[in-house]
Amino acid sequence: DGGITQSPKYLFRKEGQNVTLSCEQNLNHDAMYWYRQDPGQGLRLIYYSQIVNDFQKGDIAEGYSVSREKKESFPLTVTSAQKNPTAFYLCASRTLNTEAFFGQGTRLTVV
Amino acid sequence: AQKITQTQPGMFVQEKEAVTLDCTYDTSDQSYGLFWYKQPSSGEMIFLIYQGSYDEQNATEGRYSLNFQKARKSANLVISASQLGDSAMYFCAMRTAGGGADGLTFGKGTHLIIQP
Repeated sequence: DGGITQSPKYLFRKEGQNVTLSCEQNLNHDAMYWYRQDPGQGLRLIYYSQIVNDFQKGDIAEGYSVSREKKESFPLTVTSAQKNPTAFYLCASRTLNTEAFFGQGTRLTVV
Repeated sequence: AQKITQTQPGMFVQEKEAVTLDCTYDTSDQSYGLFWYKQPSSGEMIFLIYQGSYDEQNATEGRYSLNFQKARKSANLVISASQLGDSAMYFCAMRTAGGGADGLTFGKGTHLIIQP
C-alpha cells in the first residue's frame, strides 16, 4: 500500500544528544514537509522540500536540520541546539494538485 | 502573514446531531486553499475536505461540507448526522500560492466529543 512511514513511533533523547527521525514515502510525491505539534496546539512547519537536494526553512527551523538525498526520504535531525524538543513530529508529502498526506507521527521526549 | 483562527477549543455534541466547527482565516493572497483535517487520539492527520479560493460551490465530501464565506473570510466545517467515531481533534489549515513559501498554516484546533 502507498503511504508515508515515520519511525520510530516513540523516541527518547538525553540532553545534549542529536536524534534523527525517519520519514519515507512511496507515493512518488515531489514535496515533503516536517511539522511539530505541541500539546493543545496546531501544527507548525519546521522544514520543507519541493525537490531532491533542495529544502527550505519553515517557521520554526532553529535547532533542526534536514536532508533530501532521495525523493522518497526526508529525515529530520533534532540537534542539541533545539532548547525544547519534546513534541509530536509529523511528516507529510504531496504532489502539485493533492492535499498533504501525513505519516503516523513520532513522539519525542527529552529525558 | 497567514493566520487561521479556531475559536472553539472544545465541543460536546449529541450523536446524530449536526455539528459546525468554526474557522476564520486571514491572508492578503487572492489564491489560496482551505483544508480540514481530523486527528484521532492515535495522532495521524486525516484529510477531510478542501475548498479553493476561486471555487464557486461549497465543497462537500460525504457527511462533510464546508461553508465557505469569502467576504467574511470564514470556512466552517459542517458534519451532518454525527457519529461516535467523529470524536477527535479537528484542524483548519490554509495554503497560499504567493510569497514563494510552501506548507500549511494550521489553527489550534477544536476538540469534538460526540456523546451517545
